[in-house]
Amino acid sequence: SQTIHQWPATLVQPVGSPLSLECTVEGTSNPNLYWYRQAAGRGLQLLFYSVGIGQISSEVPQNLSASRPQDRQFILSSKKLLLSDSGFYLCAWSVTSTNEKLFFGSGTQLSVL
Amino acid sequence: EDQVTQSPEALRLQEGESSSLNCSYTVSGLRGLFWYRQDPGKGPEFLFTLYSAGEEKEKERLKATLTKKESFLHITAPKPEDSATYLCAVQGAGGGNKLTFGTGTQLKVEL
Repeated sequence: SQTIHQWPATLVQPVGSPLSLECTVEGTSNPNLYWYRQAAGRGLQLLFYSVGIGQISSEVPQNLSASRPQDRQFILSSKKLLLSDSGFYLCAWSVTSTNEKLFFGSGTQLSVL
Repeated sequence: EDQVTQSPEALRLQEGESSSLNCSYTVSGLRGLFWYRQDPGKGPEFLFTLYSAGEEKEKERLKATLTKKESFLHITAPKPEDSATYLCAVQGAGGGNKLTFGTGTQLKVEL
């Protein structure tokens, strides 16, 4: 069966520090991969998605970047965090052929202080 | 631009008190409407996908229905373990792989 791993679960970082969140998927090949952010009182906001290694689409211009160095690995990064980067970050995957039914990781609660 | 509005924002029910959650949407060419359940501090968990008006799906005490403008998530005789935030999302024909999510309905079921 397919599983998705996301870490860390919580993270407290100072403003201006770098960020690296990692997500890996097991049990499937060539998945679509996604990074979402969930802010309090707001819907999930799609940040990045990837349909293959090295292929990244950005939905919102921001202080963040994403990379997909391996088929089942998706990384969210920042060189210098802003206060506004605080939020709940979720990695998700879907089956490439149907592009539906997202399966989410357990999320990372990021607090930038 | 696809839009999703969920109501109410919060709902408190007594155990066994049935009710419905609403998801109103505007989308250019609906490819799918999705319901998710999210527990505090966790990622959303997939519940249902609906594709066309008139479609219904059921899972235990939950039943999702779809019209051309909205979807309802009916909860029959809820239990405390049904307490969670329920999220609705749509995928439109022009959005590629993108799902547009609503802000959710926070449901609390009390004994």
